[in-house]
Amino acid sequence: EAQVTQNPRYLITVTGKKLTVTCSQNMNHEYMSWYRQDPGLGLRQIYYSMNVEVTDKGDVPEGYKVSRKEKRNFPLILESPSPNQTSLYFCASSPGTGNQPQHFGDGTRLSIL
Amino acid sequence: GESVGLHLPTLSVQEGDNSIINCAYSNSASDYFIWYKQESGKGPQFIIDIRSNMDKRQGQRVTVLLNKTVKHLSLQIAATQPGDSAVYFCAETSTGANNLFFGTGTRLTVIP
Repeated sequence: EAQVTQNPRYLITVTGKKLTVTCSQNMNHEYMSWYRQDPGLGLRQIYYSMNVEVTDKGDVPEGYKVSRKEKRNFPLILESPSPNQTSLYFCASSPGTGNQPQHFGDGTRLSIL
Repeated sequence: GESVGLHLPTLSVQEGDNSIINCAYSNSASDYFIWYKQESGKGPQFIIDIRSNMDKRQGQRVTVLLNKTVKHLSLQIAATQPGDSAVYFCAETSTGANNLFFGTGTRLTVIP
């Protein structure tokens, strides 16, 4: 089954404790992206990747890092999480560029205390 | 319709009625538009798309209308069912862009 898989689905942690949210897709898609979703603000893009070893900042990249060492994986790293990063996070992928329908994972709810 | 702010626009309809969800987009250069459905606890799912060389596109029970003059997009759902209850987002993008830009969403509640 074609899918985007995120882990963990839920995480409660404390300020400053580094965490990684993994994202993996099995569709051989070139483009991958991370979004955060906050009430009333919709989906805002954090980082995206056009291909292996190619990453770019989205609209709200501060406090986040990403890497794209393999085509299928695109982890989101919070080196020193803060409470304002409490949010619902989605990973997405699409076959070519970012201006196509993107397939989304089911989300990771992060709470930073 | 959608707007930026703290409150998610809501629409309540009776089961069996038709629903119309509106979206105002901002970029006159946008030439490709997508509607997504997001159910509780899930990621957004693709419903239907439309390019700017069309003003109407139909799918199964859904129709998207595009009015480029006023930068307005709408999603019509025929014979709305309880399973249609969700948040609906429009997204816009353009040829050569690297991203989709999402609206804030509209919550549709279907009353049985």
